[in-house]
Amino acid sequence: EIVLTQSPGTLSLSPGERATLSCRASQSVSSSYLAWYQQKPGQAPRLLIYGASSRATGIPDRFSGSGSGTDFTLTISRLEPEDFAVYYCQHYGSSPTFGQGTRLEIK
Amino acid sequence: EVQLVESGGGLRQPGGSLRLSCAASGFTFSSYAMNWVRQAPGKGLEWVSTISGSGGGTYYADSVKGRFTISRDNSKNTLYLQMNSLRAEDTAVYYCAKDRRIAVAGDEFDYWGQGTLVTVSS
Repeated sequence: EIVLTQSPGTLSLSPGERATLSCRASQSVSSSYLAWYQQKPGQAPRLLIYGASSRATGIPDRFSGSGSGTDFTLTISRLEPEDFAVYYCQHYGSSPTFGQGTRLEIK
Repeated sequence: EVQLVESGGGLRQPGGSLRLSCAASGFTFSSYAMNWVRQAPGKGLEWVSTISGSGGGTYYADSVKGRFTISRDNSKNTLYLQMNSLRAEDTAVYYCAKDRRIAVAGDEFDYWGQGTLVTVSS
């Protein structure tokens, strides 16, 4: 089983700043099978990025994904108030796994 | 518009059973693999199970294998999760989620329901 480790656990930033979230896999994974989700309190997760770098439908271009092998990154170029949430990376395939999440909070 | 609506959650004692349903609309249900994902209170996301569009392929997390059964009725556009031998650690919000691409089991999840809460406690 592939284990995904996200860092930091909590990220405190201000609106307008740049956010960089990390996801490290326990073994090399295909970039085609790495996704990022956003979850706000009381809501279901929302798909942001798939295939490591492709934005899902309707996702603003301030969200971008990158990486390969074991190291992947979600970048939010300029934080908007609605971006403060918990973010999860996911490796998908026959036995999907999620990272433990990064909480992005307002500083 | 894609909609996924879960139902069937509730309170059960350890060892009990429960069946969750997920009613789907807004897409060709039989063309897509479907999934169950759960989230324990205050915790992260955990994949539970996947079923192919035809229902012929099913996959389970080790934590539920042998206790939970995923199924679907494509004539009713409905996904199910039969949960037996429930344990306290099964307490969670259960989400159904749709694969993004047609005829691919093991894809990212592009639409999610609002979730249904299952509580296992004596």
